[in-house]
Amino acid sequence: EAAVTQSPRNKVTVTGGNVTLSCRQTNSHNYMYWYRQDTGHGLRLIHYSYGAGNLQIGDVPDGYKATRTTQEDFFLLLELASPSQTSLYFCASSSGTGVYEQYFGPGTRLTVL
Amino acid sequence: GDSVTQTEGLVTVTEGLPVKLNCTYQTTYLTIAFFWYVQYLNEAPQVLLRSSTDNKRTEHQGFHATLHKSSSSFHLQKSSAQLSDSALYYCALAGNTRKLIFGLGTTLQVQP
Repeated sequence: EAAVTQSPRNKVTVTGGNVTLSCRQTNSHNYMYWYRQDTGHGLRLIHYSYGAGNLQIGDVPDGYKATRTTQEDFFLLLELASPSQTSLYFCASSSGTGVYEQYFGPGTRLTVL
Repeated sequence: GDSVTQTEGLVTVTEGLPVKLNCTYQTTYLTIAFFWYVQYLNEAPQVLLRSSTDNKRTEHQGFHATLHKSSSSFHLQKSSAQLSDSALYYCALAGNTRKLIFGLGTTLQVQP
C-alpha cells in the first residue's frame, strides 16, 4: 500500500501570509494530487501532476500554486492566504498504470486568521 | 461534464438494521472504475470498495455494491449496520483522465 505523508499537520497563518504545504509519497507513483475538503463541498481537486516538473490544473485552482520537484515530492503554495482558504488539505497519489485508486495522506489542517 | 450524485447528506440508522447509501452518476467517458471511499473521524479517506464490471457484486468489510450501468448506479449496502460504521462515505468514478470524480459525500450515523 502506498505511503503518503504530509507536513505540517496543522498550520495557522494570517491573512496575506505565505504558506507551503508539503507532500511526499514513497511508492514510486506517477500521479499526485492536492485536494481541499470542506463541509458541504466534499473533496475538491486543486492541482495534480503526472511527474516531476509537470502540473495540471484542477477544479478549484484560484489562489493556489503547486510544484512537483521530484517523483516523490509535491508542494502546494498559498502566496497570499485568505480566510476562504481555511480548510483541510489532502494529498493523494496513484500509480498511473492500470490501477486508478488514489491513496491519501493524513491531511493538513490550515487556518487563515 | 462528469458527475457523481449522492442524494443523502446524512443517513441515520439503528445498529443492526440494514443501510443503503445511494450513488448515481453521469459520464461521457468510457468509465474505467468506480469506488466507495470511507473516511473515519480525523482520518484520511481510504478505499472501501472498487468495481469496473457491470452487474457484478463486490464486497468488503460486510459492505457490498453492484455497478449497474443500465441505471448509472453504484449503491452501497450493508445488511446489519455497526456502531463502528459511522463515518463519511464518498462515491467516486474514474474516467480516462486519471482524475477521480467524487460525490459530495454521505455521513452515516449508526445509533445504539
